Order: sequence, then structure tokens, then C-alpha cells
Amino acid sequence: EDKVVQSPLSLVVHEGDTVTLNCSYEVTNFRSLLWYKQEKKAPTFLFMLTSSGIEKKSGRLSSILDKKELFSILNITATQTGDSAIYLCAVESGAQKLVFGQGTRLTINP
Amino acid sequence: GAGVSQSPSNKVTEKGKDVELRCDPISGHTALYWYRQSLGQGLEFLIYFQGNSAPDKSGLPSDRFSAERTGGSVSTLTIQRTQQEDSAVYLCASSSFDRFPDTQYFGPGTRLTVL
Repeated sequence: EDKVVQSPLSLVVHEGDTVTLNCSYEVTNFRSLLWYKQEKKAPTFLFMLTSSGIEKKSGRLSSILDKKELFSILNITATQTGDSAIYLCAVESGAQKLVFGQGTRLTINP
Repeated sequence: GAGVSQSPSNKVTEKGKDVELRCDPISGHTALYWYRQSLGQGLEFLIYFQGNSAPDKSGLPSDRFSAERTGGSVSTLTIQRTQQEDSAVYLCASSSFDRFPDTQYFGPGTRLTVL
């Protein structure tokens, strides 16, 4: 059974801190790994990763994939209160199916 | 429209009633997905459409759930004889399916509450 596990499930930090969110996976037919940010109901797309060792970066956010060890990390530097959200990791497995993790609830306190 | 839209945004219904949830994908996107997110859980895949056909219905939790897509565009997810455990946010996503890999774009979701 395809599985995506995120850790931690919840994280509370102070503004300005750096955080690292983890995502490990076991899927039968890996195609890509995606990170989403969910603030209300609809997740918004952050990154798509398909190749190992290549960092993707967008402002203060960055992510990297390790296909040998089957995990990805999402880093956020100099966190701001607007970064508070649930961060979802999903793996595209085979026929256009996304398997999501439980999400990490990130809270940034001022 | 510019993004995926869903309606209604909120639906409260009584146990045993049928509900219909609607999804309008991004224009030109051939692939459409339905997911649901229950409180405290990750997104759960329900069904995937490529055009009007549904090659993967493996996620539908019971035969009370059905979905259709007409004209390769709008999709309707129908839940018959709703139960309290059906309460969740139902999310729709679409993708262009014209390259590998594809990015799915999510709608705002419909929050379903079954009393």
C-alpha cells in the first residue's frame, strides 16, 4: 500500500526561526513528490520534485528530494507569521494518483 | 475561469439525504480529481477523470458515492443517503495532463456537514 508520512505533525516556533519539515514515502511507482501549503481549505502548490539532489527554491522556501532514502525536506528560513499553515506532502504514484501525508501544522508565533 | 471552482462552498444536510457537489476545472484541463479531507486526516483520493471517463475509481469509499463528468469539463460528485462520517471537505483538482509530470491545481473545496 502506498504511504506518505510527514513529521512532525505539529510545530510551533518563533518568528525568524528556521524550520525543516520532513516527508518520507513508500510507493510502488514514484513519479514526483509535491509540497503544498494549506491555509484554509484548498492547498496551494509549492514545489514539485522529480530528481534527487536538486534543490528547488522559492524565496525563503526550499526543498530537496532523496530518491534513494525515499524522503524530502521542506525548509523555511526567517519564518514569518504568514507562514503559519498546514504543509502537505504528496507523492504522485502511477496513474495520476496523489498520495498525501497527514500534513505538518506549522504555527509561527510573533 | 482562472482557477478551479467548486460549489457550494458549504453544505449542511441531514443524515440520509442525497447531496451533489460540483467542480468546474481550469479551462482546457483534461484531468480532474476528487479528494476529501476529513478532520485531522490527510487528503484522501476519491476518483480521477481523464476526459469524461474515470479510469480510477478506487478511492470511492462506498457505493453511495458516484461521480460523473460531462463534456470533458464540469464534474459532479454525488453522495446518496449521507452518513455523518461523510462530513469532510471535498476538494477538486484539475491538471492539463499534457506533460510529465503534471501539477494539479486545487479548488477551494466544499465543506460538507452531515447532521
